[in-house]
Amino acid sequence: AQKITQTQPGMFVQEKEAVTLDCTYDTSDQSYGLFWYKQPSSGEMIFLIYQGSYDEQNATEGRYSLNFQKARKSANLVISASQLGDSAMYFCAMREMKTSYDKVIFGPGTSLSVIP
Amino acid sequence: DSGVTQTPKHLITATGQRVTLRCSPRSGDLSVYWYQQSLDQGLQFLIQYYNGEERAKGNILERFSAQQFPDLHSELNLSSLELGDSALYFCASSVDPHTSGDYEQYFGPGTRLTVT
Repeated sequence: AQKITQTQPGMFVQEKEAVTLDCTYDTSDQSYGLFWYKQPSSGEMIFLIYQGSYDEQNATEGRYSLNFQKARKSANLVISASQLGDSAMYFCAMREMKTSYDKVIFGPGTSLSVIP
Repeated sequence: DSGVTQTPKHLITATGQRVTLRCSPRSGDLSVYWYQQSLDQGLQFLIQYYNGEERAKGNILERFSAQQFPDLHSELNLSSLELGDSALYFCASSVDPHTSGDYEQYFGPGTRLTVT
């Protein structure tokens, strides 16, 4: 069965430092997409970054980069130069796309706290 | 602002009641997804509609149903409500990734349901 694992329920990072949030996934499909979303305390889900299973380069979006290791089935999020506003829950998700349907599975999330 | 709207923002109701949550997708998006986020279950995919047709089903209870109308807005109906149905319900929309290559889902702000 498809599954997303985020082994770090909570993380702390010093402001301006980099932090890596872990994500491993399990799927037998060849075509899938991996996402990271941020959920601040206000509750909205904010899209951060996307990586397709066939993309050879790691995705980057500003201070966010996705360290994609396909053979290890990992898709870690790296946040560089952490800011206080980065304190939030972070969810890793996988989208499996077949011709007849697509489905998104979320991990349990990692709570990140940025310390001044 | 993702372009996805959800109403109402908050809903408080009693056990045994029925409620309807409404979602309007981004302009041009044919796919609508519903998710439930509760404290003990995390973010769970409920159901997906594409251009009015049900496309994928997740962990949706039989007491819950959804539909997508010709104008592409969607409604999630929750009946015989129980205390455990209290959660944040998200709607998300996307274009068809098979035709567009765009895999991102755009989330609405959510409806917070409290069952007392």
